[in-house]
Amino acid sequence: GEKVEQHESTLSVREGDSAVINCTYTDTASSYFPWYKQEAGKSLHFVIDIRSNVDRKQSQRLTVLLDKKAKRFSLHITATQPEDSAIYFCAASPQNYNQGKLIFGQGTKLSIKP
Amino acid sequence: GPKVLQIPSHQIIDMGQMVTLNCDPVSNHLYFYWYKQILGQQMEFLVNFYNGKVMEKSKLFKDQFSVERPDGSYFTLKIQPTALEDSAVYFCASSLPGGKDTQYFGPGTRLLVL
Repeated sequence: GEKVEQHESTLSVREGDSAVINCTYTDTASSYFPWYKQEAGKSLHFVIDIRSNVDRKQSQRLTVLLDKKAKRFSLHITATQPEDSAIYFCAASPQNYNQGKLIFGQGTKLSIKP
Repeated sequence: GPKVLQIPSHQIIDMGQMVTLNCDPVSNHLYFYWYKQILGQQMEFLVNFYNGKVMEKSKLFKDQFSVERPDGSYFTLKIQPTALEDSAVYFCASSLPGGKDTQYFGPGTRLLVL
C-alpha cells in the first residue's frame, strides 16, 4: 500500500528564516496532498494542500511544491514566526480520493528559535 | 474554520469493557473518518463512512470495532471489547462529498485501556 515518508523528524530554524519540510510517497496514482499542523496536545489543523494537476501552490507565507516524477512534495514556510512552531504532517490520498483515506507521514517537529 | 467536536476528551476504562467515542462532524459534511494516533507516532487511518455505510477500513479496524451514525446524530466508534493496544488518541474527521475535499479534524479522544 501507499507509504508516505517525512524525511526530517525535527527541524530548527531562526525566526525570520525559511523552513522546508520534505515528503515522499510511493503510490503513483496519489492525487491529493494535504499538510496539517499539530500543536502540542491539540488536533490537526489544516494548513494547505495541493492536487496533482498543479506543481505549485502558494498561500501567503506557505508554498507547496509537487514533483510527480520524483514522487516528492514539500512545504516551504517563509519569514517564520514563533507561532509556526508545531509538528507538521504531510499526507497523501492513494488512488481514488473519493474513498477519502489519507496516509500520513511521521511528522516533522518544527522549532522556531528567537 | 469548520469545527468537528469529539466527546469525551479523555476516557479511562478497564480492558474488556466497551467504549463509545462520539464525534459531532461539521454540519453539512457527509464523509466521516476515524484515525488512530499512538503517542509520538503518525496518524493512521481506521475507517471512513458515507451514506450509512463503511466505504473502506484498514487492518487496524479490528472485528471489535464498529461505526455508525444513527439518524444524523453523532458519528460513533465503538470498541467492544477493548484491549490494551487500543490505548491511543482517536481523531474524527469529516469532509464534504464529491471527493478531493479537505478533511477537518476534531480535537481527539484520549483513550487509556488499563
